[in-house]
Amino acid sequence: EIVLTQSPATLSLSPGEGATLSCRTSQSVASFLAWYQQKPGQAPRLLIYDASNRATGTPARFSGSGSGTDFTLTISSLEPEDFAVYYCQHRTRWPYTFGQGTSLEIK
Amino acid sequence: EVQLLESGGGLVQPGGSLTLSCAASGFTFNKYAMGWVRQAPGQGLEWVSAISGRSDITFTADSVKGRFIISRDTSKTTLYLQMDSLRTEDTAIYYCVRDWRGGITGIISDWGQGTLVTVSS
Repeated sequence: EIVLTQSPATLSLSPGEGATLSCRTSQSVASFLAWYQQKPGQAPRLLIYDASNRATGTPARFSGSGSGTDFTLTISSLEPEDFAVYYCQHRTRWPYTFGQGTSLEIK
Repeated sequence: EVQLLESGGGLVQPGGSLTLSCAASGFTFNKYAMGWVRQAPGQGLEWVSAISGRSDITFTADSVKGRFIISRDTSKTTLYLQMDSLRTEDTAIYYCVRDWRGGITGIISDWGQGTLVTVSS
């Protein structure tokens, strides 16, 4: 099983600032990595797939990068609605595991 | 509009059984793989099981293998998760999810709102 480690666990920032979230995998997943956003009381939603492709409806301020074992989700300028928990997930082979999440909080 | 509506959650004793259902609408059901992802209270996400659009391929997490069975009924556009020998650690919100292709790609394009399963005596 591929283990995904996200850092930091919690990130406290202010609206307008930029955010950088990290996801490291225990084995190479090539570019088969996705990012999901989950707000309290809601189901997650797909933001980025295959490392750098924005899903339909994902604002341009969200971008993904990386390959192999190191990946980054960048939010260029935080909007109030961006404060949520973010999960990465690989799809290289079953089981498709998730990271433990990064909680993006308002400072 | 894609809609995934889960039902069947509730309180069950350890060792008991439960069947979850997910009524799908807004898309051609048999052209998309489907699955179940769970989230224990205050915890992260775990992909429990997946099934291809034609039902010819299924994947199941080791944590539930031999206890949970995923299936689908195209005529009813419904996804199921039969859960037997339930344990306290199976307590979670169970989300019905749609893959973005007919084969199991692992990209979850749509999520239901979830149904809570509580395993407790």
